[in-house]
Order: sequence, then structure tokens, then C-alpha cells
Amino acid sequence: QVQLVESGGGLVKPGGSLRLSCAASGFTFSDYYMSWIRQAPGKGLEWVSYISSSGTTINYADSVKGRFTISRDNAKKSLYLQMNSLRAEDTAVYYCAKEVNSFDPWGQGTLVTVSS
Amino acid sequence: EIVLTQSPDTLSLSPGERATLSCRASQSVSSTYLAWYQQKPGQAPRLLIYGASSRATGIPDRFSGSGSGTDFTLTISRLEPEDFAVYYCQQFVSSRYTFGQGTKLEIK
Repeated sequence: QVQLVESGGGLVKPGGSLRLSCAASGFTFSDYYMSWIRQAPGKGLEWVSYISSSGTTINYADSVKGRFTISRDNAKKSLYLQMNSLRAEDTAVYYCAKEVNSFDPWGQGTLVTVSS
Repeated sequence: EIVLTQSPDTLSLSPGERATLSCRASQSVSSTYLAWYQQKPGQAPRLLIYGASSRATGIPDRFSGSGSGTDFTLTISRLEPEDFAVYYCQQFVSSRYTFGQGTKLEIK
């Protein structure tokens, strides 16, 4: 079945960096746009970034533009999010999701905590 | 950026009752690009409705979506105990996707 599994979360100090990964299975990964979405503790959902199937079209939320970089490796069926200059407000569960005019499915999420 | 405003913030109902959740957009959204999600505590969100009115695979027919332009509605015809959760609408029209703030559906 279609499955997405995130990894790479953890505790990082303000100003630090982290790289998240999302491993896909059960579908032709290279055919689909993919997105990262995050959810701060006790808060709602915030879309972070998307990348086209080929990787040529990318977009970011204003809150992360210039600090985060989305990428993908279609041969490895993997999606990535490089997060630099992390701030306390970036603390959240980060989800990856397959996109076709909706997000379905979502991974289980990986927690990123930015704290000194 | 398209702002989605959901109402009410919290809806208190009993099992068996009908739930009506609203999502209003700050500018017109094509129905093709409006989705609804359900999220339970500790879980990832789950797609319920896409294209404003099409149920996702495996979603019971007590869930229905409607609307167009700037006003969209998610209706749950008869609440089951497992339906009490937070619901989010989301748009894909602009290149900056946005979610509504969520409606918490709680047991009365």
C-alpha cells in the first residue's frame, strides 16, 4: 500500500540545521508532486513547501523561504527538507504528503524541537 | 495569499446529530482545489474530501462536501463516536497552499 515514512527529526539549538527525509513506497514516486506540512504543538496545520515530480518547480511558505530547501531523489524514492537557521518557532511535527489536488496520504510525522 | 476561515472554532454535538462545518475563502477558490481533512489526537491528518465534494477512498457516505466560490461546507449526517476530531479545509489554488485554522468537533 501507499506509505510515507519521515525521519531525521530531533532536538537542535537555535541557528542550527537539520535534514528531514521521507521514504516513499507503494506508488510511482516520480509521477507526483510532494509537499512538507508542519504542525506546531497544539496548533493547526501549516504548508511548508512543495516540489514538482521532476524537481524543477519548487515553492515555499514565506515563513521558511531562504532558510529551508526541499529536494527529491526519484531513484531513491525519497523526499528531503534541509532546514537551516532554525528558530524556536520552527518547532513542530513535520509531515510529508503526496499531492494530487489534495494531500493523501500523509506520513506519521517527525518531531523537530528547536531549543537551547 | 488566500486566507481560509473556518467556523465555528468549536462545535459541541451529540452522537447521532448532524454536523455542519463551514470554510470561507478570502477570494474565489476553484472547487477542484478544495479539500477537507480529519485529524485525531496523536495522528496524522486524513483526507476526507477532495474537489470540494468527492469522498476519498474508504470514507463513509455520512461525510459530504459542498460549496463553490468562497463558501464551502463539510457535513456529517449522523455523528458516530469516532467522528469527534479536528477538521481542516485546505486550498490548492494559489502557489502558496493554505489551511483553515480548524474546527474542533467535540462531544456534548
